[in-house]
Amino acid sequence: AQRVTQPEKLLSVFKGAPVELKCNYSYSGSPELFWYVQYSRQRLQLLLRHISRESIKGFTADLNKGETSFHLKKPFAQEEDSAMYYCALYVYNQGGKLIFGQGTELSVKP
Amino acid sequence: DAMVIQNPRYQVTQFGKPVTLSCSQTLNHNVMYWYQQKSSQAPKLLFHYYDKDFNNEADTPDNFQSRRPNTSFCFLDIRSPGLGDAAMYLCATSEGHSYEQYFGPGTRLTVT
Repeated sequence: AQRVTQPEKLLSVFKGAPVELKCNYSYSGSPELFWYVQYSRQRLQLLLRHISRESIKGFTADLNKGETSFHLKKPFAQEEDSAMYYCALYVYNQGGKLIFGQGTELSVKP
Repeated sequence: DAMVIQNPRYQVTQFGKPVTLSCSQTLNHNVMYWYQQKSSQAPKLLFHYYDKDFNNEADTPDNFQSRRPNTSFCFLDIRSPGLGDAAMYLCATSEGHSYEQYFGPGTRLTVT
């Protein structure tokens, strides 16, 4: 089965603290994973993709095939990071589609 | 700014009364998607259009249909809304099948 699981509905941290948003996936093929973000009153948008191994807004995510995980990390959280974060798996069914996790709300307190 | 627009942002309909949600885009993307997102749940793909080719997800109820009259517009029709169809409906676009999808702000549907 193709599935993305984000175990935490809400993650609350203080400004400057490290952040890790968890994502686990189930997929028989070679996984392509992404993080999408939705800031307050804004639309859902792509944050980063595992292929590029880039850091966007200080966030990184490493694909761990052994643990079937793609956790999103940032060493020092900022208040502007407060948002809803969705992990997504891209699968090649009917051309291609995204399977989203349920999302984790990150709240960064001053 | 090129973007994805959804109208209306909030829609209230009565149980069993047909409703249409609309999406338009100025990105000139050839793929348009409709997702349903219920409270505290993941966005779930209902169907998508690749150009004029319609692709329905296997578990999308027959009650949900879609039309794409041209590249820019796509409509979601709910023939007989039930209380369980209350949700946020998201439209998205991409250039070809892609993980990089551009989302609209969504339409929140309430069924009374």
